[in-house]
Amino acid sequence: AQTVTQSQPEMSVQEAETVTLSCTYDTSESDYYLFWYKQPPSRQMILVIRQEAYKQQNATENRFSVNFQKAAKSFSLKISDSQLGDAAMYFCAFGGGADGLTFGKGTHLIIQP
Amino acid sequence: EPEVTQTPSHQVTQMGQEVILRCVPISNHLYFYWYRQILGQKVEFLVSFYNNEISEKSEIFDDQFSVERPDGSNFTLKIRSTKLEDSAMYFCASHRGLAGGEQFFGPGTRLTVL
Repeated sequence: AQTVTQSQPEMSVQEAETVTLSCTYDTSESDYYLFWYKQPPSRQMILVIRQEAYKQQNATENRFSVNFQKAAKSFSLKISDSQLGDAAMYFCAFGGGADGLTFGKGTHLIIQP
Repeated sequence: EPEVTQTPSHQVTQMGQEVILRCVPISNHLYFYWYRQILGQKVEFLVSFYNNEISEKSEIFDDQFSVERPDGSNFTLKIRSTKLEDSAMYFCASHRGLAGGEQFFGPGTRLTVL
């Protein structure tokens, strides 16, 4: 079974600064996918970014990028130029193809104006 | 843009009652899922459904739970005899079935068991 660990229950960053959210996982699979989901107070789950494990290149989506270290089983999310609208819970998730996702416990991101 | 929809947005029920949560996945998607999130906790996988049968289920998905795709559009989660600990947000998601594709989540149904 896979496990996903997010060791930061809460992070705080000044608006316009950069913040990195940590995620580690454990699996015996070699081919899989990793995701970061954002959950604002509305509780809607919104995909932020995804990474295919077979790709060495780190995924990037505008201000969001990941640092994927497959050997270390680490998948951190970097948010550049933080905005007030980035405030939310962020969940790291592991999935294999169309399998059910395994989520971490989440990191509550606070943006200080 | 197509989206997953869920009804109702909030359901209140008495302990021991049956509830049915409804979802309409994105029309050309092949895989459907239910997840649960107890308030303040992580999102937990319950079950996945493909080709009109359960393809995977977690240990949470016991005999009290069942899923069905009664027609070409709806996907339902039934809880036969609700318990207080079933109070949670229930998310439906769907997936096209292509490798690497994302799961699209619905807005959730908040279930409160009294």
